[in-house]
Amino acid sequence: GAVVSQHPSRVICKSGTSVKIECRSLDFQATTMFWYRQFPKKSLMLMATSNEGSKATYEQGVEKDKFLINHASLTLSTLTVTSAHPEDSSFYICSAVDSPYNEQFFGPGTRLTVL
Amino acid sequence: EDQVTQSPEALRLQEGESSSLNCSYTVSGLRGLFWYRQDPGKGPEFLFTLYSAGEEKEKERLKATLTKKESFLHITAPKPEDSATYLCAAEGDNAGNMLTFGGGTRLMVKP
Repeated sequence: GAVVSQHPSRVICKSGTSVKIECRSLDFQATTMFWYRQFPKKSLMLMATSNEGSKATYEQGVEKDKFLINHASLTLSTLTVTSAHPEDSSFYICSAVDSPYNEQFFGPGTRLTVL
Repeated sequence: EDQVTQSPEALRLQEGESSSLNCSYTVSGLRGLFWYRQDPGKGPEFLFTLYSAGEEKEKERLKATLTKKESFLHITAPKPEDSATYLCAAEGDNAGNMLTFGGGTRLMVKP
């Protein structure tokens, strides 16, 4: 199957700092990528849809000024958590759609801990 | 509103004890029903996509089936390494590739 990578896999930061997470589709181009958040023992919660070359679409309740998404190329989307606070600590997962097959492949996730 | 419900929430099996996981869905115009496996601390791993009722797909000890209202993931003679959370997701025709996920089934296979 197609491969999606995320970087970093783990990050610890101080409250008030910003953290950038990268999501790359390694062997296919993805017009659409998604960002999810997952709490312990819970299913994935969609945060936003990232479309290459256009603004991201955010789900209700997700602050677009806090979670900045940039999809500058067909293989890269970034999520920046601005002015992070302890409540932003979570497991963030991205996915990319392999358009010809309409299948969504997930990255390995990024564990964010805000102290 | 699209909805996906998985049952049971957790399932304990002995090695070799076959069983099935259920995924019930309500979506407007199903474009695809997806099964993923997720290990702790990792992203979901793609298993299957089913597109129409009656379709079946197999991979090793796993077989996924689809009806107009639900999908089953059958696990035949499971091994401890099959222990994971299995996620089901559906895409409706108005979703634009967005998936609606079920809550997952945590499977534990004991030797």
